[in-house]
Amino acid sequence: NAGVTQTPKFRVLKTGQSMTLLCAQDMNHEYMYWYRQDPGMGLRLIHYSVGEGTTAKGEVPDGYNVSRLKKQNFLLGLESAAPSQTSVYFCASSYSGRDSPQETQYFGPGTRLLVL
Amino acid sequence: GQNIDQPTEMTATEGAIVQINCTYQTSGFNGLFWYQQHAGEAPTFLSYNVLDGLEEKGRFSSFLSRSKGYSYLLLKELQMKDSASYLCAVSSGNTPLVFGKGTRLSVIA
Repeated sequence: NAGVTQTPKFRVLKTGQSMTLLCAQDMNHEYMYWYRQDPGMGLRLIHYSVGEGTTAKGEVPDGYNVSRLKKQNFLLGLESAAPSQTSVYFCASSYSGRDSPQETQYFGPGTRLLVL
Repeated sequence: GQNIDQPTEMTATEGAIVQINCTYQTSGFNGLFWYQQHAGEAPTFLSYNVLDGLEEKGRFSSFLSRSKGYSYLLLKELQMKDSASYLCAVSSGNTPLVFGKGTRLSVIA
């Protein structure tokens, strides 16, 4: 039981390049989330999904796209990377959107992205 | 929208007690989470409060006052390994959690 995994762990991109970050969970969770974390800004939600085939925008969606073709996977795409997208990206999942100690969010280890 | 405030940094001595405050403004409040995040690692769940009062879990306790929009995380018998960031997160309505900016706690000898 690996929990939430993210690939890659670290990546360097040049401005204008594209890439996809992969998140996978083996806990049969319905909800999945993508966050970015920047110094002094805390965790900010980019996009999230409440089930296979559905996605929704979070607080900072511009410049990113997502897809949830399979329940266990949530992909985050950067079509044309910009230096402002240099950040640490965390994926998370939860059983449902209801809030209780049993339904907290579980986070992946993070992807460190540097855009030059 | 939601507004969550917590101190940016705190320092405390090993063996002491520290209280990290979180104030929030929101409508349709559901509950409040605390997460711990060590440097370079992912956040991990610490506690959840939905009703007023104190929830105790070993050396960590969390308090909530819904009427005041206020919570605190209390860490007792501080250890060096407690040096981390502590994130307050509020759930309201049907929207995903909103996280505060986090409080970086340094435990010194």
